[in-house]
Order: sequence, then structure tokens, then C-alpha cells
Amino acid sequence: AQSVTQLDSQVPVFEEAPVELRCNYSSSVSVYLFWYVQYPNQGLQLLLKYLSGSTLVESINGFEAEFNKSQTSFHLRKPSVHISDTAEYFCAVSGYSSASKIIFGSGTRLSIRP
Amino acid sequence: NAGVTQTPKFRILKIGQSMTLQCTQDMNHNYMYWYRQDPGMGLKLIYYSVGAGITDKGEVPNGYNVSRSTTEDFPLRLELAAPSQTSVYFCASRPSSSGGFDEQFFGPGTRLTVL
Repeated sequence: AQSVTQLDSQVPVFEEAPVELRCNYSSSVSVYLFWYVQYPNQGLQLLLKYLSGSTLVESINGFEAEFNKSQTSFHLRKPSVHISDTAEYFCAVSGYSSASKIIFGSGTRLSIRP
Repeated sequence: NAGVTQTPKFRILKIGQSMTLQCTQDMNHNYMYWYRQDPGMGLKLIYYSVGAGITDKGEVPNGYNVSRSTTEDFPLRLELAAPSQTSVYFCASRPSSSGGFDEQFFGPGTRLTVL
């Protein structure tokens, strides 16, 4: 069985400040890792994912996440946030099988202060 | 492509009423899912389907039913609405592949209130 823990339910930061959203997972088998973003009143959409290879993955809007196998973590970072990054962010894991269901964390609400 | 569409966007039900939440995808995905999202609780899987004619229970199936007669449609049925079913409901789809690395595509959600 797999599980995902997002340690912070809310993270307030000032605009242009750096941010880190924490995610830890538990699994007895190898997994794929995802970050999804949910903008206000919208569905979730994929932000980035780690499948294999380089442990650092990047999104097109400046976010990056680093897979750390020894710490079973997949923290999301951005060096300078913008008002438009205000959203809820969900970490998720999936097993290797095509029948695997995606397990979502409880979400972290990122609020940006001007 | 419209992606994943859901109707209605909002609905208010009285206790004991029934309704069907519609979900359609035009990406020819075999895998489809229904989630509910409660504040601070993340997403809970209600039901899922791996193809037409095949459905299975997720984490919180009680009070709901689904059917999958076509690849495109995956409606969710509430038979006897209860206040505990007040939530935002999301439908999602994913292409079937040789592994679990494909992303899920989500609809815009249905906000349901049961009074």
C-alpha cells in the first residue's frame, strides 16, 4: 500500500519570495511521483512528474521538485513566487502497474501576499 | 478536444433526492475515475473504471453507483442524497498504457450541496 503526506496544509508567502511545499511518501515498491495544481474553482492539472533518471524535475512555470529516495520525499520548490501561483498543490504517487491508482496527498494551499 | 466535461457545475439537492452527475471524455481513455473533494481532506476515490463494462469500488463508494456503457461516459449516481455527500465531485480520465506513469486529466468539477 502507498500513502502520501503533505506536511503543511497552508503556506503563506510574500510575492517574489522562495517557497517549498513538502511531500513525503510511503511505499513498499517503486513509485512514480507527481505534483498536481488546482487553481481556484478549477480541476486539478499536472504540474510535473518524476518517472526515472535525473532526480530533479522542472515545470514550465519555474517550479521544480527533487526526488530523494533515502528520505522518501518529493518536495516542490520555486525560487520566486508570483500572485498567479496562488493555488492548492497536491502531491501524488502511483505504482508501476498500468492498473495502479494514483494516491493523492491532502493538499497544500499556497497563498501569495503582495 | 474538449477533454473531460462534467455537468452540472452546481446543484442543490434535498435530503433523499436522487441525481446523476455526468462525465464525458473525448480522448479515448480507458481509465476513468470519480473523486470527491472535501476541504482539507484532499481527494477521495469513489469509483473507477478500466474500460467499458468494468467498474470497481474506490475508497468511499457507499451511497453512490456508477455505470460505464461506453468508453466516453462515466456517470455517477446518488440514490438517496444525504448531507454527508455535500462536496465537490471531480471526474478524471487516464490513458491505459504499459505503466502507471500517465497523468490523469480532470474535469472542472460539480459542486453539490445537500440540504
